[in-house]
Amino acid sequence: EVQLLESGGGLAQPGGSLRLSCEASGFKFRDFGMSWVRQAPGKGLQWVSTLSSDGSITYFAESLRGRFSISRDNSKNTFYLLMTSLRAEDSALYYCAKTWGSRYMDVWGKGTTVTVSS
Amino acid sequence: EIVMTQSPATLSVSPGERATLSCRASQSVGTNLAWYQQKPGQAPRLLISGASTRATGIPARFSGSGSGTDFTLTISSLQSEDLAVYYCQQYNNWPPLTFGEGTKVQIK
Repeated sequence: EVQLLESGGGLAQPGGSLRLSCEASGFKFRDFGMSWVRQAPGKGLQWVSTLSSDGSITYFAESLRGRFSISRDNSKNTFYLLMTSLRAEDSALYYCAKTWGSRYMDVWGKGTTVTVSS
Repeated sequence: EIVMTQSPATLSVSPGERATLSCRASQSVGTNLAWYQQKPGQAPRLLISGASTRATGIPARFSGSGSGTDFTLTISSLQSEDLAVYYCQQYNNWPPLTFGEGTKVQIK
């Protein structure tokens, strides 16, 4: 069974940092792009970033470039989102998603919640 | 950036009736469009890719159509478990990947 398990969410201070992790199982992780999508409370889906299967190509929402970075460790089947200079508007449920052709998300994790507040 | 607009925002349909959801792109996306279902308290689930190809395990009552700028998701006979918010997403011209605001389907 294909599974994605996010972790690392929690409470962060404005200006602080958090690193989210996504552990994948049930598929050949190294063959697929991976994405982060977030959802603020009561709001819709917002694409954050996509990383190619080999980690060589990164795509970011323009508004987040420079504060967020992504990486993957194919030896550990794990995908990461490093968030810095956090703002209140970054508070959201962050989903990790297996990404087909690095374009649409065919499997989603359950998400991890990030709250940015003093 | 391609803007995706969904309508209506909320749709109330009786069980067994047809539900028709619309998604419009601000410029042509060809058939590079996906639909997702998000049930209350759950993660989104892929329903349709390529505008009309059902994902694995998706019931046949869900169908997608359209190309260019206008797309439709049809639920042919609404079931109670179809209560959800439905999102469209284009992947033709990116970054960014962009989602519509969603259509909430309620059971009448």
